[in-house]
Amino acid sequence: AQSVAQPEDQVNVAEGNPLTVKCTYSVSGNPYLFWYVQYPNRGLQFLLKYITGDNLVKGSYGFEAEFNKSQTSFHLKKPSALVSDSALYFCAVRDGGNQGGKLIFGQGTELSVKP
Amino acid sequence: GAVVSQHPSWVICKSGTSVKIECRSLDFQATTMFWYRQFPKQSLMLMATSNEGSKATYEQGVEKDKFLINHASLTLSTLTVTSAHPEDSSFYICSAISPLTNTEAFFGQGTRLTVV
Repeated sequence: AQSVAQPEDQVNVAEGNPLTVKCTYSVSGNPYLFWYVQYPNRGLQFLLKYITGDNLVKGSYGFEAEFNKSQTSFHLKKPSALVSDSALYFCAVRDGGNQGGKLIFGQGTELSVKP
Repeated sequence: GAVVSQHPSWVICKSGTSVKIECRSLDFQATTMFWYRQFPKQSLMLMATSNEGSKATYEQGVEKDKFLINHASLTLSTLTVTSAHPEDSSFYICSAISPLTNTEAFFGQGTRLTVV
C-alpha cells in the first residue's frame, strides 16, 4: 500500500532563511513523487515532481526537492524563503508502475514565513 | 499547463437539497478525473475516480448514492451531493492528470460547500 508522511504540521522560517519541508513515502513500485502548494480556499498548485533521472529536481518559484531512495524521502527545499511562500504544502506519491494509480497525499505542512 | 476549472467556487444550500459541482478540463480531454474532499487544515481524501462513459469508482466508505458522479463527456465531470446535510459541508476539489506528461495532476480551484 502507498503512504506518505509529512512529520511536521507546521514549519516556521524567517524571511531570507532556507526552508525545508520534510516528506517520506512508501510505495510498492517505482515512486512518482510530487509537491503541491495550496493557498487558502484554493485548489492545489503543482510545484515539482520526481519521476526518474537526477535526484535533485527543480520546480516553480525557486523550490527544489531531493529524492533519496535509501531514506525513502523527498524533502522540499528553498534557499531563501519569502513571506509569500506561506501556505499549506502537500507531498504526494503515486505508483509509477500503475498508470491509473491513485495519488496519495501526506497530511500537509503549514509553512509560515515571517518578515 | 493543463487547466482544470471548477464551478461554483462556493455554494450555500439548505439541508435536504441537492447540489451539483462541475469540473471541466479546459484545454485537454480527460478520460479520468478525480474527486477529493478536504476538511479545514487537513489533507485531501480521495472520494472517487470518475471515468468517462462508465461508472465511477468509489473509495471505501464513500456513499455512491449520496455522492453521484457523472462523466458524460471528455471534458466534464460532475459531482452531485444529494440530500445534503450539514456534515457534508466541506471543500471539494477535482483533478485530472496532465495529458502531456501523464504524470502530474492538475487541480480545480475547489468548491466550498456549506449546508445550513
